[in-house]
Amino acid sequence: DQQVKQNSPSLSVQEGRISILNCDYTNSMFDYFLWYKKYPAEGPTFLISISSIKDKNEDGRFTVFLNKSAKHLSLHIVPSQPGDSAVYFCAAYFSGNTPLVFGKGTRLSVIA
Amino acid sequence: DAGVIQSPRHEVTEMGQEVTLRCKPISGHNSLFWYRQTMMRGLELLIYFNNNVPIDDSGMPEDRFSAKMPNASFSTLKIQPSEPRDSAVYFCASSFSAGELFFGEGSRLTVL
Repeated sequence: DQQVKQNSPSLSVQEGRISILNCDYTNSMFDYFLWYKKYPAEGPTFLISISSIKDKNEDGRFTVFLNKSAKHLSLHIVPSQPGDSAVYFCAAYFSGNTPLVFGKGTRLSVIA
Repeated sequence: DAGVIQSPRHEVTEMGQEVTLRCKPISGHNSLFWYRQTMMRGLELLIYFNNNVPIDDSGMPEDRFSAKMPNASFSTLKIQPSEPRDSAVYFCASSFSAGELFFGEGSRLTVL
């Protein structure tokens, strides 16, 4: 039973356009959400996070939106660049030193 | 600044052989996690330790898998005997308390 779901295994976007990666979760106890980025032959690296008390967090070209009522979050990348091509993992946890639960990932390809 | 260090980076072995994967977490981190990445299941948590104590090993697929953390700077994941379905990338990650994880580069295991 997947608690964090990324239903799109892949996404292709043209350079300069917006990339939108989606994530749904089922456990309403999650109160912190993170996005990780993974290049081939490397470990995932932290990209951006959001607490459940917020609905938006922005860091440069990256913005994460959280819709708690829908149990949905999304990562927006604008403008998309070829270097953004990677696998993006959505992750969540709830307070109390619990481990991160990851989605299956979405492979983003940014085409020049 | 040394990150999480995993060895070996690549391991090719034959079915039935014992495999040992090693991890050195970031100094000062008190939590250590072993994840496995496959196409089908994405990043799944196998086991995690807090202050060298195993907290949750419910993700360990079978008794063939075992993990130890004899001290704060070293952990092993052992598979004995290995099977072809164990082929995956195994990631070690560490953190200070809950939240953001820092991943190693992974150990790619191929069992023939």
